[in-house]
Amino acid sequence: QVTLKESGPALVKPTETLMLTCTVSGFSLSDPRMSVSWIRQTPSKALEWLANILSNDEVSYRASLERRLTVSKDTSRSQVVLTMTDMDPGDTAKYYCARMGGDSGELTFDSWGQGTLVTVS
Amino acid sequence: DIQLTQSPSTLSASLGDRVTITCRASQNIITWLAWYQQKPGKAPNLLMYKASTLQSGVPPRFSGSGSGTDFALTISSLQPDDFATYYCQQYHDYPWTFGQGTRVEVK
Repeated sequence: QVTLKESGPALVKPTETLMLTCTVSGFSLSDPRMSVSWIRQTPSKALEWLANILSNDEVSYRASLERRLTVSKDTSRSQVVLTMTDMDPGDTAKYYCARMGGDSGELTFDSWGQGTLVTVS
Repeated sequence: DIQLTQSPSTLSASLGDRVTITCRASQNIITWLAWYQQKPGKAPNLLMYKASTLQSGVPPRFSGSGSGTDFALTISSLQPDDFATYYCQQYHDYPWTFGQGTRVEVK
């Protein structure tokens, strides 16, 4: 069974750095068919893809946020880490990690974590 | 960025109704489109990929169609479990983007 679970602070102050961890099970972060993305959902319910990390550690970022984002992974611990600097109240959202690939091999998100709500205030 | 525009934003329907949600892309995305269902307090759930391929485990009352810039998700006979919000997502080009969502509510 594939699971993903986000963890991190619920509240951060403006200008602080956010660090979120996604712990996965049921698949390996070294599997070349899989990758993990971070996606956030704003209070108005809009979904925004942030970044994706491949099995070979190659990362793609949303261009508008790239200077603030860093994504890395620890395959041995089955964890993917998102760091976002210079947090602003506009970054208040529910942050999800999601698996991309899966059985279909498509660039779609077939498994999601439960999400973690981050408030910037 | 590729913009995805869903319509309607809210759809009121009754059990057994046939409902259709549309998603229009700002440029040609061929068939690189997915649909998700989201219920309150839950993460989105993948329903469809490549515009018309049903994800494993998704009931066949869901179907997808379209190519290029115009796409549709159809529920052939609305069931109680289908009242939710639906999102389209394109994966033709970075950044991967989502539509704004369509809420299907009880009429």
